[in-house]
Amino acid sequence: AQKITQTQPGMFVQEKEAVTLDCTYDTSDQSYGLFWYKQPSSGEMIFLIYQGSYDEQNATEGRYSLNFQKARKSANLVISASQLGDSAMYFCAMRAFQIQGAQKLVFGQGTRLTINP
Amino acid sequence: DTAVSQTPKYLVTQMGNDKSIKCEQNLGHDTMYWYKQDSKKFLKIMFSYNNKELIINETVPNRFSPKSPDKAHLNLHINSLELGDSAVYFCASSQPASGPGDTQYFGPGTRLTVL
Repeated sequence: AQKITQTQPGMFVQEKEAVTLDCTYDTSDQSYGLFWYKQPSSGEMIFLIYQGSYDEQNATEGRYSLNFQKARKSANLVISASQLGDSAMYFCAMRAFQIQGAQKLVFGQGTRLTINP
Repeated sequence: DTAVSQTPKYLVTQMGNDKSIKCEQNLGHDTMYWYKQDSKKFLKIMFSYNNKELIINETVPNRFSPKSPDKAHLNLHINSLELGDSAVYFCASSQPASGPGDTQYFGPGTRLTVL
């Protein structure tokens, strides 16, 4: 069964520093997708970045990049130049399967990131 | 221009009551979902509909009944509410593609508290 593991329950980082949030996944599928979402204290789930299993380049979206290491089954999120507004829960997710147009996302436990001024 | 909206945002009710949560998306997506986030922040899929047809039903008690009147709406009705139903319920939608185009976009969530 597909599984996502985020081993860092909480992280504290100084403002303007870069931060890496760890995510490892387990799947026997050759084709899969990996997602990162941000959940601020207000509660909404905000999509950040996507990486496909066949993508040769690491995904980037502004200050977010995904360090995809397929052999290690890891998909770490890197946030450059962290800002106070980056303080939130971060979830890594994997598309476990897709059937008739619907996809099942499996989520990790989340990492609570706190940016200190 | 809200993409995925849910009502209500907060719902407080007594055990045994029946309640509904409504979801609407204006993204033109064919697929919609319900997720439950428990007190430990763990997110788990409950249901998925594609173009009004139920596709995914993840071992959810029969007390939960989703209904999709059209592909832009997916409502969740819960009968005989129990204490363990207290959680945040998220609606989401996506296109039925395989790749970055099928990213799921979430609504703001509905915090359900059962007393």
